[in-house]
Amino acid sequence: GAVVSQHPSRVICKSGTSVKIECRSLDFQATTMFWYRQFPKQSLMLMATSNEGSKATYEQGVEKDKFLINHASLTLSTLTVTSAHPEDSSFYICSATGQGPGDTQYFGPGTRLTVL
Amino acid sequence: QKEVEQNSGPLSVPEGAIASLNCTYSDRGSQSFFWYRQYSGKSPELIMSIYSNGDKEDGRFTAQLNKASQYVSLLIRDSQPSDSATYLCAVGGSARQLTFGSGTQLTVLP
Repeated sequence: GAVVSQHPSRVICKSGTSVKIECRSLDFQATTMFWYRQFPKQSLMLMATSNEGSKATYEQGVEKDKFLINHASLTLSTLTVTSAHPEDSSFYICSATGQGPGDTQYFGPGTRLTVL
Repeated sequence: QKEVEQNSGPLSVPEGAIASLNCTYSDRGSQSFFWYRQYSGKSPELIMSIYSNGDKEDGRFTAQLNKASQYVSLLIRDSQPSDSATYLCAVGGSARQLTFGSGTQLTVLP
């Protein structure tokens, strides 16, 4: 149980284009989903917290107009990187809570974004 | 600001030995604690959660929590080369968020 999937696993795009990443909880209803970014050899950086049916809460320094988050159902959240630039190249990971005790977070496999 | 501190390592242990990973946290009101394992290029994988003072064992892994000292540790018995990874300590907070440490890189030498 507690499986979280992400799609795509890897994406390469040109500068200025938009990229959408999907995060799905496969066998449980995720009341809250989180989006993280991780640069090489650094720890996870929380970007935003989203609850189903409400607007995401962004961490300080994260541009909400650039990183659009939609949590339309209890099993799906999407992150859209708009007008991507090379500095947005990173490993994007989602996680979900709702299965198991308290605030246990289960992570998706991540999406590696490369912006040329 | 809540902080979670880990020794970044690298920590090297021989195969079969006990690996000891440590973590301290700043928020005395924290109630939930987690250890995740992250292989290079992969996302974190939950190893254990612990909520009460004392020890919690799961197979070769033992988590230890001391809320008075604001300290949580992870022991890995009979370490295997496949245990080589970065271990992330995480502490629960408000809005179900977790605060992560920077991770300890463990290498188990064959």
